[in-house]
Amino acid sequence: LAKTTQPISMDSYEGQEVNITCSHNNIATNDYITWYQQFPSQGPRFIIQGYKTKVTNEVASLFIPADRKSSTLSLPRVSLSDTAVYYCLVGASGGSYIPTFGRGTSLIVHP
Amino acid sequence: EAQVTQNPRYLITVTGKKLTVTCSQNMNHEYMSWYRQDPGLGLRQIYYSMNVEVTDKGDVPEGYKVSRKEKRNFPLILESPSPNQTSLYFCASSLLGGGARGELFFGEGSRLTVL
Repeated sequence: LAKTTQPISMDSYEGQEVNITCSHNNIATNDYITWYQQFPSQGPRFIIQGYKTKVTNEVASLFIPADRKSSTLSLPRVSLSDTAVYYCLVGASGGSYIPTFGRGTSLIVHP
Repeated sequence: EAQVTQNPRYLITVTGKKLTVTCSQNMNHEYMSWYRQDPGLGLRQIYYSMNVEVTDKGDVPEGYKVSRKEKRNFPLILESPSPNQTSLYFCASSLLGGGARGELFFGEGSRLTVL
């Protein structure tokens, strides 16, 4: 299973762009990269998923370089409501995949 | 509305008193799992199920049981709860696998306190 490493915490201010990088050096060919957001006392919520290059939706963008050994979640113009824990997961569909959330990155957005 | 429903949301119990936390999903998902979340430890998987009658241990299965008799339900059973099982529990489901493609849908959580 590909292990992921991401910063424990980050701070930002309202209106800024936030980039959270996740390292996954032993990512496998079939693995996808998925990011979740979790607010206190709530279940994680899917944000975005990608395999390579760039994926964008109404919430965030996901940048994946050609070697796929890392990925960057980009949150444009954050607000106070983006304060949450963000998790990076790597894995492929199949019976052996167990999604591992780890501790995630705690993002605090300041006024 | 597509959702994962857990009950109870809050429970205070005493050591040794058997309890069950129910989880139900209405999305016809094959995969379901249970996580516990403790301060500083993130989300840890307890058990998961790839389909009906197919269950397997996650990272922290000790003290827990599960069953998957129907596709929509995946109850978590604590036969003899102990204080170290005081935690916030989440049930999750996804269409295929463990959410590696597509997404995991989570319930609202069940906060359990064992005295």
